[in-house]
Amino acid sequence: GAGVSQSPRYKVAKRGQDVALRCDPISGHVSLFWYQQALGQGPEFLTYFQNEAQLDKSGLPSDRFFAERPEGSVSTLKIQRTQQEDSAVYLCASSLTDRGAGYGYTFGSGTRLTVV
Amino acid sequence: AQSVSQHNHHVILSEAASLELGCNYSYGGTVNLFWYVQYPGQHLQLLLKYFSGDPLVKGIKGFEAEFIKSKFSFNLRKPSVQWSDTAEYFCAVNSLDGLTFGKGTHLIIQP
Repeated sequence: GAGVSQSPRYKVAKRGQDVALRCDPISGHVSLFWYQQALGQGPEFLTYFQNEAQLDKSGLPSDRFFAERPEGSVSTLKIQRTQQEDSAVYLCASSLTDRGAGYGYTFGSGTRLTVV
Repeated sequence: AQSVSQHNHHVILSEAASLELGCNYSYGGTVNLFWYVQYPGQHLQLLLKYFSGDPLVKGIKGFEAEFIKSKFSFNLRKPSVQWSDTAEYFCAVNSLDGLTFGKGTHLIIQP
């Protein structure tokens, strides 16, 4: 597609519920990133994939967060047993090259997760 | 680990005023520098980027930024702002560890 597509755009979850957020990167983009953006803050790194390999998951806040990209294209970020502090906008970005190359990323519109 | 500091969290200006948003980063190695903008309800968009060469970089919508290596700074400027520039502005630094963002500056332009 022409850009990075994320779904759903909005998600309201009851505390304790599991959620799955989807990201469709730009076709052919090697790198895929997930960021978490809390209200009034800048995006914070969660995890990085190069093709299907998850090369960095150092930003995942707890073991309730899990991401996958099994075929090197679409990625899913799963949050188990959601907590109120998980409420944020989850951004996906993709890049044509690996993350150190610095050509900049294309961001999706994000999924706004509200845990009630 | 790298970090990015944006000095102004909220800025309010009148139309036609000049703008300068500060950005400093901590990483001492080779970096690529970016400014992103997020208009209300929209996704992050790239305003401009610096890789190498001329330290004065021109971006879209009349924005420019100057890379000063000795000060670890990459400040964003615009000579005359418009109401439509109301948005959140993020400075970001890319190194081998990936892209790190500042906390953002919320810019409000009053008509």
